[in-house]
Amino acid sequence: AQTVTQSQPEMSVQEAETVTLSCTYDTSESNYYLFWYKQPPSRQMILVIRQEAYKQQNATENRFSVNFQKAAKSFSLKISDSQLGDTAMYFCAFTHKGAQKLVFGQGTRLTINP
Amino acid sequence: EADIYQTPRYLVIGTGKKITLECSQTMGHDKMYWYQQDPGMELHLIHYSYGVNSTEKGDLSSESTVSRIRTEHFPLTLESARPSHTSQYLCASSESGQRQFFGPGTRLTVL
Repeated sequence: AQTVTQSQPEMSVQEAETVTLSCTYDTSESNYYLFWYKQPPSRQMILVIRQEAYKQQNATENRFSVNFQKAAKSFSLKISDSQLGDTAMYFCAFTHKGAQKLVFGQGTRLTINP
Repeated sequence: EADIYQTPRYLVIGTGKKITLECSQTMGHDKMYWYQQDPGMELHLIHYSYGVNSTEKGDLSSESTVSRIRTEHFPLTLESARPSHTSQYLCASSESGQRQFFGPGTRLTVL
């Protein structure tokens, strides 16, 4: 069975700093997808960034980028120039090609301090 | 604009009442999901559907039931609410089963 582990329950950084959230996963599949979702306080969960396992290049979306290490089964999220609006729960998620469901990690609560 | 909607957003109800949480999406997605999430905690999949007349139980056992009579509508029902059902319920939909789009959630409190 696939599992996703986020080892940092909480993190806190100052505004404008760079922060990295960790995620590891376990799978025997070779063709899969990884996601980072953001859930701001009392607001809707939204997709931050997505990575396809067969792509070697790390995905980037503006200030958000990932470090995808396929051999190590690691998928960390880096937020550059952090902003107060980045304060949220962040969930790492996994699915393999053909699967119909996502497997979520436990979440990391990120607080950006002014 | 295509979106996913949940009503009510907040519900406070007494023990023993029957409740239905509504979820609708206008994106034409076949796949829909219900998650249970205690505030600030991880998500637990409780039900999912791959299309009309298809429903499956998720990874976390739940006393709730679901139906999927129309593509856009995936309501969740609790026949007799209990305090242990107090939680947030998130609905999601997906075209491919990969990227999921989430609704705003219903925060349920059972007294």
